[in-house]
Amino acid sequence: EAGVVQSPRYKIIEKKQPVAFWCNPISGHNTLYWYRQNLGQGPELLIRYENEEAVDDSQLPKDRFSAERLKGVDSTLKIQPAELGDSAVYLCASSLVGGAWGTDTQYFGPGTRLTVL
Amino acid sequence: GNSVTQMEGPVTLSEEAFLTINCTYTATGYPSLFWYVQYPGEGLQLLLKATKADDKGSNKGFEATYRKETTSFHLEKGSVQVSDSAVYFCALITEPNTGNQFYFGTGTSLTVIP
Repeated sequence: EAGVVQSPRYKIIEKKQPVAFWCNPISGHNTLYWYRQNLGQGPELLIRYENEEAVDDSQLPKDRFSAERLKGVDSTLKIQPAELGDSAVYLCASSLVGGAWGTDTQYFGPGTRLTVL
Repeated sequence: GNSVTQMEGPVTLSEEAFLTINCTYTATGYPSLFWYVQYPGEGLQLLLKATKADDKGSNKGFEATYRKETTSFHLEKGSVQVSDSAVYFCALITEPNTGNQFYFGTGTSLTVIP
């Protein structure tokens, strides 16, 4: 079974440019998460989807970040415009059931390493 | 608020040494606790978990016990191998409807030398 797929793996852009990341979760997983991981830190949740609905986006900087999961399967995360401080690894994860807290295992993709110059 | 505190690394051990990576947490309600591992060049993988007090999670020789009285979930392994070299993250999930529910520690890098 394929794991969580993310692309691109690496992205280098200049500040003020837009950038987008794509995630395809494990087949059948209804819950999808986007995390940001700064160097030397643990992942921080940006947004969580259950099917196509964003149920927790409280940590998403909405002035420049946006996300969508139109058909409840794959998802895109966009930054426009990017700032120097956005350099980080952006992780996508999925799980089978989002409501049964404590029993869900999140499966992570390899991440997209973003460098903003 | 909710948080996870891990011992700082990096940790360097010789093969077959005993490993302890400390993790303590602060959380409202009754969180579930996890250890994730990230091998070089790979994504985070669940190592083990415990969903209630006194539960012990175990996998690949690693163990961690959910201690509510000390709010801890320390990771242990009796004899580490070179292949255990990775970054280990302690994490918790709080109950629903409490806002931002997922918290990871900062990670502890482990290097095992032959």
